[in-house]
Amino acid sequence: AQKITQTQPGMFVQEKEAVTLDCTYDTSDPSYGLFWYKQPSSGEMIFLIYQGSYDQQNATEGRYSLNFQKARKSANLVISASQLGDSAMYFCAMRELSNTGGFKTIFGAGTRLFVKA
Amino acid sequence: DVKVTQSSRYLVKRTGEKVFLECVQDMDHENMFWYRQDPGLGLRLIYFSYDVKMKEKGDIPEGYSVSREKKERFSLILESASTNQTSMYLCASSLLGTGNRGNTIYFGEGSWLTVV
Repeated sequence: AQKITQTQPGMFVQEKEAVTLDCTYDTSDPSYGLFWYKQPSSGEMIFLIYQGSYDQQNATEGRYSLNFQKARKSANLVISASQLGDSAMYFCAMRELSNTGGFKTIFGAGTRLFVKA
Repeated sequence: DVKVTQSSRYLVKRTGEKVFLECVQDMDHENMFWYRQDPGLGLRLIYFSYDVKMKEKGDIPEGYSVSREKKERFSLILESASTNQTSMYLCASSLLGTGNRGNTIYFGEGSWLTVV
């Protein structure tokens, strides 16, 4: 079963507008972490934002904010004032405890964002 | 800055060959990971390791094995490469635990493997 679900394969947004990329997750671990990464066409993976499961407030990093709804198990990424350079693939990821006591991080299928001028 | 180095950017191998993908990190990270990335499937975890000589299967370990003899080095091995293993392989590392920023994972540049 999918543990990280990104239901939007592709999204379009007008430059300067806000956009929300959806992510739902599934875990039985009470202590987990949620991440968003950006992958531009160059292929590098760029860390954007992190939310811990016990964090009371939604995480923000510049134009990025994470809308964390714990009861719904959702961790949507909000990008405000979109820029042409935001066109990229976006991955939601979750870190949880593994069977042997380590930590593993798993990723969703990604959402490709296109910013229109 | 953290550096995760994958030894080969582009490889072409024949079906049945044994393939080694090497990864080295320079920040004393306990955790190391191997993912493969395919269009529409995102990044899928093959194996990970949180200590020397420790390894744990991820979601798609079949057809792969790993080796971690030293803390900084994590190797992915395809014992007998097959065409369905043609993909981009990403190595990553992180500190153990839940520290600052969740102990973000850092990625290498990726290795493009084509099996013919």
